[in-house]
Amino acid sequence: AQSVTQLGSHVSVSEGALVLLRCNYSSSVPPYLFWYVQYPNQGLQLLLKYTTGATLVKGINGFEAEFKKSETSFHLTKPSAHMSDAAEYFCAVSDPSTASKLTFGTGTRLQVTL
Amino acid sequence: KAGVTQTPRYLIKTRGQQVTLSCSPISGHRSVSWYQQTPGQGLQFLFEYFSETQRNKGNFPGRFSGRQFSNSRSEMNVSTLELGDSALYLCASSLDTTDEKLFFGSGTQLSVL
Repeated sequence: AQSVTQLGSHVSVSEGALVLLRCNYSSSVPPYLFWYVQYPNQGLQLLLKYTTGATLVKGINGFEAEFKKSETSFHLTKPSAHMSDAAEYFCAVSDPSTASKLTFGTGTRLQVTL
Repeated sequence: KAGVTQTPRYLIKTRGQQVTLSCSPISGHRSVSWYQQTPGQGLQFLFEYFSETQRNKGNFPGRFSGRQFSNSRSEMNVSTLELGDSALYLCASSLDTTDEKLFFGSGTQLSVL
């Protein structure tokens, strides 16, 4: 079964700094990959999705992610962090071989400081 | 278009009781998936319903069950509650079983005392 690993359960950046949240997948075939964001006391919201085609995927709120097959990575980035970006971010993979449509990583909590 | 609606928002129960959670999907979405979210285990898949039938099931005991109605609304039930069932239960809807784009509700926070 496919899985994703998120490196760093907590990441802290200053407002205006680059945001980099790491996600690596384990798959022998190109997977479908997703990033979701969860704000406090809310459900998950889709940020972006990679299926096929262009490896650089742009999402909402200025986030983007690049699919790198050679590194089995799908890291999430944002050039300039904003206080409103503070949330928990989940990387997920679509795996038809499992019961679940999506298998989620353990999440990375992003803190944005002044 | 209204999003995924989950009720109630918060629940407090005691061990041994049972609980029913409700989920109304986005209009036109026919697939409903349920996830359990805990700080230690993260997001774990419970089950998926489509056309009133359970299509997939995660690795949870039989105390966890669900159903889906003809209008695609879904309920999940947990019987004989245990302390470890305390969690945020998230419902997600999608167009059908092949659509991986999930839309999540805000969840039901269940506390078992």
